[in-house]
Amino acid sequence: QVQLQESGPGLVKPSETLSLICTVSGGPITSYYWSWVRQSPGKGLEWIGHIYHTGLTNYTPSLKSRVSMSVDTSKNQFSLKLISVTAADTAVYYCARFGPWHWFEAWGRGILVAVSS
Amino acid sequence: DIVMTQSPDSLAVSLGERATINCKSSQSVLYSSNYKDYLAWYQQKPGRPPKLLIYWASTRESGVPDRFSGSGSGTDFTLTISSLQAEDVAVYFCQQYYSTPYSFGQGTKLEIK
Repeated sequence: QVQLQESGPGLVKPSETLSLICTVSGGPITSYYWSWVRQSPGKGLEWIGHIYHTGLTNYTPSLKSRVSMSVDTSKNQFSLKLISVTAADTAVYYCARFGPWHWFEAWGRGILVAVSS
Repeated sequence: DIVMTQSPDSLAVSLGERATINCKSSQSVLYSSNYKDYLAWYQQKPGRPPKLLIYWASTRESGVPDRFSGSGSGTDFTLTISSLQAEDVAVYFCQQYYSTPYSFGQGTKLEIK
């Protein structure tokens, strides 16, 4: 059974870059779409974007100018970068895998990232 | 963008009774070429990630108890728990995957009466 684990700093300063990695175990990273979703009290669950193992990406328009994702198939990892963060980016960030279509069939446990000086 | 709206925001149901949660999309999520509704339901317990319950509006994920069922089509959907168990206390979300940006409902908090 696939397992996902987010890692990265839990505190980021305003205007800096949020960087997270998701490590996939128990299954290959190839042939799947991988996604990032965040959850904050104010905005609920928000899909940030997804990436295919080939590197093909799709980002939510509201974050598209600040977000990038990449995949490292040799390490079975994919990553999220969000630049120029503000307090509004404070949230629990989840990495997830899509099922055969784009519902989220597997999730990491989530990592709380606070944006604060 | 498709906006998902759930009702009610919170719900208290007695153990063994039926719980019904509604989800409405701002536009149809029924894809005409395959007659499938691109709608999923999730359960989230405190401190845990969401857990997939149902996809294609009514297909139960493997391992999900059969007291959970999904119905509806087009823009109006329902998640029903036929006989509420104590472990069903959670927040429930619907999600459309018909078009990007994929979007979730605001959540319905289910409690025991």
